[in-house]
Formats: sequence, C-alpha cells, structure tokens
Amino acid sequence: GDSVTQMEGPVTLSEEAFLTINCTYTATGYPSLFWYVQYPGEGLQLLLKATKADDKGSNKGFEATYRKETTSFHLEKGSVQVSDSAVYFCALILANAGGTSYGKLTFGQGTILTVHP
Amino acid sequence: DSGVTQTPKHLITATGQRVTLRCSPRSGDLSVYWYQQSLDQGLQFLIQYYNGEERAKGNILERFSAQQFPDLHSELNLSSLELGDSALYFCASSVDPGGLADTQYFGPGTRLTVL
Repeated sequence: GDSVTQMEGPVTLSEEAFLTINCTYTATGYPSLFWYVQYPGEGLQLLLKATKADDKGSNKGFEATYRKETTSFHLEKGSVQVSDSAVYFCALILANAGGTSYGKLTFGQGTILTVHP
Repeated sequence: DSGVTQTPKHLITATGQRVTLRCSPRSGDLSVYWYQQSLDQGLQFLIQYYNGEERAKGNILERFSAQQFPDLHSELNLSSLELGDSALYFCASSVDPGGLADTQYFGPGTRLTVL
C-alpha cells in the first residue's frame, strides 16, 4: 500500500543551523506531496506542497522538491529559528490515472524538531 | 486560525460510553475529513464526506460512524469506547472532493480520553 517514511527523530539543532528532514514515499499512481507542521497544542498547518515531479514547494524559508526518480520530498531550511520547534509531517495524496484524488492523506510518523537559542 | 472549528476541545469519558465529536468546515468547503492521531498509530485517515455523501473510507472501526449534514457540518460518533480509543481526533476540510492540488485545512482537534 501507499506509505510515507520520515527520518527518525527527534532532531535537535542550534539556532541558525541548516535543517534537513528526509521523506521518502511509496505510491501506486501519481501522488501530490505535502509537508504539514504541528506546533505544541495546535492542529496541523500546511507548510508547503508539490503536485508533480520536479515541482518545488516553498514557504517561510522552508523548501522541498518532488523527486520522482528517488521518490523523495526532503524538507530543508537554511537557517532555523527557535520558533520553528514543532513536529513536521510529510504526507501524500494519491490520484488515480484520471487525476481525481481519493482524498485520503497518508502521513509519515512525524519528526520532532527542537531548536535551541 | 484555519477556519475549521471542532467541539469539544477535550472530552473525558468511561469505557463503554458513546460520544459525539463535531466539526464545522471552513466557509465554502464541501469536503470534510476525519483523522485520528495516537502515539502508537500516528495520524490515520478515518473517513471523508463530500457534500453530504461518504466519499472515502480508511481505517475506521465499525464502532465509529460519521455523517455530514445539509449545512455541511460533520459529526463523528464513537461508541462502546475502549481505552485504546483515547486519541486526538482531527477534522479537516477542503473545497473539492480531494483533487491533487486541493489543500486540507485542519481544525485544532478534540482530545478524547477514555478512562
């Protein structure tokens, strides 16, 4: 079945460090890929998305590129801040050949990021 | 604020009981999704409704049921509750029935504790 695998966490960084959170997927079909972020005590917020191969999603300094050849969607940020401390989820939505999604988001297990001053 | 509201925020109940979780989607959104977040299972898709009709079904137990009403709000009913049902239940909404470019907006969640 369809699945998303994220790098094992937690990840602890100092402020202004470079961030990479790895995400790979397995899907039968043509998925769209997403990164969601969950701040403590809150719901999930969409961080960025990419709907086809080689698309780059970006938001708030975060970037991720949809790599079909490596089935990956790694999240990167050049300089993290304390306020980026949260749980990050990689997810996919699968579409059938006609392009109509089934609507179900499949999530990775989440990666806890802690940034220290 | 995503525009998706969920009530109640917290719910504490006993095993064997039945509870109802409520979700109001963003204005204009026709699709509602329910997800369960637990420590052992992670985030799991339960069910989706689009404009009042069930659209997709995931790992939803037979003890659980949902519906979407004409005003587009949705309710998730959990019955014969077990300790393992303790989790955070999220509702999300989107405009379309789940297109590739469609974005799901999540509510703040309802934390269910079964004692």
